[in-house]
Amino acid sequence: GAGVSQSPSNKVTEKGKDVELRCDPISGHTALYWYRQSLGQGLEFLIYFQGNSAPDKSGLPSDRFSAERTGGSVSTLTIQRTQQEDSAVYLCASSPTSGGSYEQYFGPGTRLTVT
Amino acid sequence: GDSVTQMEGPVTLSEEAFLTINCTYTATGYPSLFWYVQYPGEGLQLLLKATKADDKGSNKGFEATYRKETTSFHLEKGSVQVSDSAVYFCALSDRPSGTYKYIFGTGTRLKVLA
Repeated sequence: GAGVSQSPSNKVTEKGKDVELRCDPISGHTALYWYRQSLGQGLEFLIYFQGNSAPDKSGLPSDRFSAERTGGSVSTLTIQRTQQEDSAVYLCASSPTSGGSYEQYFGPGTRLTVT
Repeated sequence: GDSVTQMEGPVTLSEEAFLTINCTYTATGYPSLFWYVQYPGEGLQLLLKATKADDKGSNKGFEATYRKETTSFHLEKGSVQVSDSAVYFCALSDRPSGTYKYIFGTGTRLKVLA
């Protein structure tokens, strides 16, 4: 079946611009996670959705970052007024539900470059 | 808070050598433990997992045993191949976090030479 998909695969933007990153989870997966992979910080958690609500936003680095999920499916991560330190690979993962025994399935990521 | 410590890389081995990548963790609850692999140019793939103490996860010749007494989950393979060259990430998922989000180690790059 289809895996987690993300778009765009690559995004180059100028400092100060807003960007939107999209994630399509595996159908039926209620849990959705966003992570960021950067050279200096490794893999960091950003935000978690269960259905359409986000009970854990603790990893969002600043108020320039926001995310939403609609219909219990597609999620969008928005970064406003991008900065060079936002350059990273943004990964989305989904899981059938939240629970320790359930692994997360990762998408291919969106590579964001802020110039 | 929860954390994962992974051995620093890069690790360079000859084909058919024995591989160990060390991973230790700290957690407030009873975490599940995972190894993910990232091949060049590809996304993260689950390699193996263990959800309780003394469980052994295994896949593609790789093994790791959940050791609660030493808070470890070391990855091993008896005979590596060039195709195993990748970055390996140890991760935990813990209930007290409320979200089962992953806490990742820093990753260990493995290079296998023919």
